[in-house]
Amino acid sequence: GAVVSQHPSRVICKSGTSVKIECRSLDFQATTMFWYRQFPKQSLMLMATSNEGSKATYEQGVEKDKFLINHASLTLSTLTVTSAHPEDSSFYICSAKTGFRDTEAFFGQGTRLTVV
Amino acid sequence: TQLLEQSPQFLSIQEGENLTVYCNSSSVFSSLQWYRQEPGEGPVLLVTVVTGGEVKKLKRLTFQFGDARKDSSLHITAAQPGDTGLYLCAGGTTDSWGKLQFGAGTQVVVTP
Repeated sequence: GAVVSQHPSRVICKSGTSVKIECRSLDFQATTMFWYRQFPKQSLMLMATSNEGSKATYEQGVEKDKFLINHASLTLSTLTVTSAHPEDSSFYICSAKTGFRDTEAFFGQGTRLTVV
Repeated sequence: TQLLEQSPQFLSIQEGENLTVYCNSSSVFSSLQWYRQEPGEGPVLLVTVVTGGEVKKLKRLTFQFGDARKDSSLHITAAQPGDTGLYLCAGGTTDSWGKLQFGAGTQVVVTP
């Protein structure tokens, strides 16, 4: 199956700083990538849809100025959490699709962000 | 919004027992995927079903997509401790990017 790599797997940062998380499709070109947030013992909450070369589409309630998404190439999307606060601490996961609509999505291993 | 309801939320069984997890919606999905997620890791795709009435088997796991493509089930035969994890169903939405709508998940614990 297709491989999606996320980096870093864990990060601790101080309040007020920014953190960048990378999501790479290693063996395929991803036209679309998705960013999710997951709280303990809960399901995945979609934050935004990222398409190569265009602006990301954010879900309702997600602050686009706080969660900056850049999909600069067909194999890389980044999520930057700006001016991080302790309430931003969470598990962030990306997924990538090889095409539109019914094609399968493959997930990265996730990033555990802790803001202290 | 197309909502997916998963049941039960939690399931604890002994090794060797069978279990079934359900995923239901009032909406029709273009496809439905099942994932298993372990703590601290991303979800791993188990199967994708796209045709109403479709049944797929993956070793001891049997997946079924309802005739109307609104519901699905996952059945595990003779569960093993390695089956422990969070099982998530996700429906393919009809928007052009193919966003997935996730169920709340079923935490399965299989004890030796």
